[in-house]
Amino acid sequence: EADIYQTPRYLVIGTGKKITLECSQTMGHDKMYWYQQDPGMELHLIHYSYGVNSTEKGDLSSESTVSRIRTEHFPLTLESARPSHTSQYLCASGGANEKLFFGSGTQLSVL
Amino acid sequence: SQKIEQNSEALNIQEGKTATLTCNYTNYSPAYLQWYRQDPGRGPVFLLLIRENEKEKRKERLKVTFDTTLKQSLFHITASQPADSATYLCALEATGRRALTFGSGTRLQVQP
Repeated sequence: EADIYQTPRYLVIGTGKKITLECSQTMGHDKMYWYQQDPGMELHLIHYSYGVNSTEKGDLSSESTVSRIRTEHFPLTLESARPSHTSQYLCASGGANEKLFFGSGTQLSVL
Repeated sequence: SQKIEQNSEALNIQEGKTATLTCNYTNYSPAYLQWYRQDPGRGPVFLLLIRENEKEKRKERLKVTFDTTLKQSLFHITASQPADSATYLCALEATGRRALTFGSGTRLQVQP
């Protein structure tokens, strides 16, 4: 069982609200990732980090931001949520053997 | 541009048969390729990794082949069971970045 946790599991909020999606892992992995996935569609990389104080944007343009102050924690923040942000957000971490461990995801609905 | 292609049509097979899923890629020179399983509403789960110098990898009922000349990987599930019903994703590391890019996945439905 992967030791990577995402909260909340589901979130319904109104337009314009600021939200933070939490992701934590206890495996000591340096690499962490955020992917966005719409139903039946592929995963799109939106942010990644190679370690503390290292963050990069992914393929998909995103209005979200991330931080990596601690190895185990990689939160994603939306300053002003919009209906177009409605999606599933998946956090993952990876160690030296290249395979990724994913959390259960946060299903975000912006009304 | 780099592209990963998986059959978007669902694969329906009878229990006990072998399921074969295909992953084709273009403009990648991957050192390895990975396969994941994803159930509805959940994150993907790692299944197998095969490196460029490996032709075949096996794990229990799973078998993966990797042909870097054809730029293709085949994923086989032998003696399939209804519990194998899920979406299967292949993934490659994007050039110049230590992050995986995923195919859109193929949904497998195993009928009892």
